[in-house]
Amino acid sequence: DIQMTQSPASLSASLEEIVTITCQASQNIGNWLAWYQQKPGKSPQLLIYGTTSLADGVPSRFSGSRSGTQYSLKISRLQVEDIGIYYCQQASSTPNTFGAGTKLELK
Amino acid sequence: QVQLKESGPGLVQPSQTLSLTCTVSGFSLTSYSVHWVRQHSGKSLEWMGRMWSDGDTSYNSAFTSRLSISRDTSKSQVFLKMNSLQTEDTGTYYCARGDYGYNSYYFDYWGQGVMVTVSS
Repeated sequence: DIQMTQSPASLSASLEEIVTITCQASQNIGNWLAWYQQKPGKSPQLLIYGTTSLADGVPSRFSGSRSGTQYSLKISRLQVEDIGIYYCQQASSTPNTFGAGTKLELK
Repeated sequence: QVQLKESGPGLVQPSQTLSLTCTVSGFSLTSYSVHWVRQHSGKSLEWMGRMWSDGDTSYNSAFTSRLSISRDTSKSQVFLKMNSLQTEDTGTYYCARGDYGYNSYYFDYWGQGVMVTVSS
């Protein structure tokens, strides 16, 4: 199975700050990488797919990038509504696997 | 609009079988795959398996021999059955729709989830 190593596990940031979360794939997954946001008591919501494409309705302050097998999610100016847990997911092979999650809190 | 909704028992006894239903609307099961994803409390997401649009299935080997996914297209329902439940199977179970983009695949709609507790 492909392992997705996500970091950091938790992150405390201030409003308007730039936030970056990374996922390291254990092997080549191309651009078959998605990011999800999960708020307490809610189901995950798609943020980014294909490494860099924003899902419908997702604010432009969110962006995704890739360097080799390392993938990053960047929030350019943190807002209150961005608080939650973020997961990466590879869909290159079965089983699709998720990162362990990054809990984003306000400082 | 696209919706998925899970239903099933909230409490299952150890060694028994879990049966869940995902009822979808706003899209056809013959056009999109539906996945099952589990989440232990406070933990990450675990992909369990998939019902392809053509009726084929794929499973996570971690659940092989215990897990079965089927569907009834006339009722727009996808079913999960997992036997020999243990306490470690306690968690929230989601169904999600899979879709393709250019060189990408993702889960664009999720159900609200159903919490399952395995306990005697």
